Amino acid sequence: DAKTTQPNSMESNEEEPVHLPCNHSTISGTDYIHWYRQLPSQGPEYVIHGLTSNVNNRMASLAIAEDRKSSTLILHRATLRDAAVYYCFPGGQNFVFGPGTRLSVLP
Amino acid sequence: DSGVTQTPKHLITATGQRVTLRCSPRSGDLSVYWYQQSLDQGLQFLIQYYNGEERAKGNILERFSAQQFPDLHSELNLSSLELGDSALYFCASSVEVGWTGANVLTFGAGSRLTVL
Repeated sequence: DAKTTQPNSMESNEEEPVHLPCNHSTISGTDYIHWYRQLPSQGPEYVIHGLTSNVNNRMASLAIAEDRKSSTLILHRATLRDAAVYYCFPGGQNFVFGPGTRLSVLP
Repeated sequence: DSGVTQTPKHLITATGQRVTLRCSPRSGDLSVYWYQQSLDQGLQFLIQYYNGEERAKGNILERFSAQQFPDLHSELNLSSLELGDSALYFCASSVEVGWTGANVLTFGAGSRLTVL
């Protein structure tokens, strides 16, 4: 059974970079790695996804290990509005999100 | 506004009752997913429909059922409700059926169910 692990919580200071790790050791070779986040009292929202190469968009960067068994979501400058639960979602047909990391951003 | 509409936003009912949650997917999306999120818990996948057909099932209880209609909206029916069914129920939609690079989920704001 696929197993995704993420730290329960992380803390960051405002305007500092944040690296959120995810282990997905059983991911298959064709599954994309997705990241979503859930702000307080809201539904989850898409952040970024990738297959093998590192990816950048306006929200974040995604670094994928060469063996694809892990990935890291990078917020380059955390803001208070980035405080949320971040879910790693290795793709495939099981539609199961990782347990999520609760990110606290300190002013 | 994500484009995915869920109604009702809040629902309070009693044990043993039956409720229906409704979801209208984002325009152009053919796939609908239902997730359950209990208090301070993660997202539990329930079921997926694509263009009217059930395509994948998660840990959905037998007391729960869902369907997707020809206009692509979906309904999640919860019956014989128990206290433990109190949760946020999220609907999400996407363009495709499988997990490809283009298949990004768009979530609604959720329906909060309270069973007393």
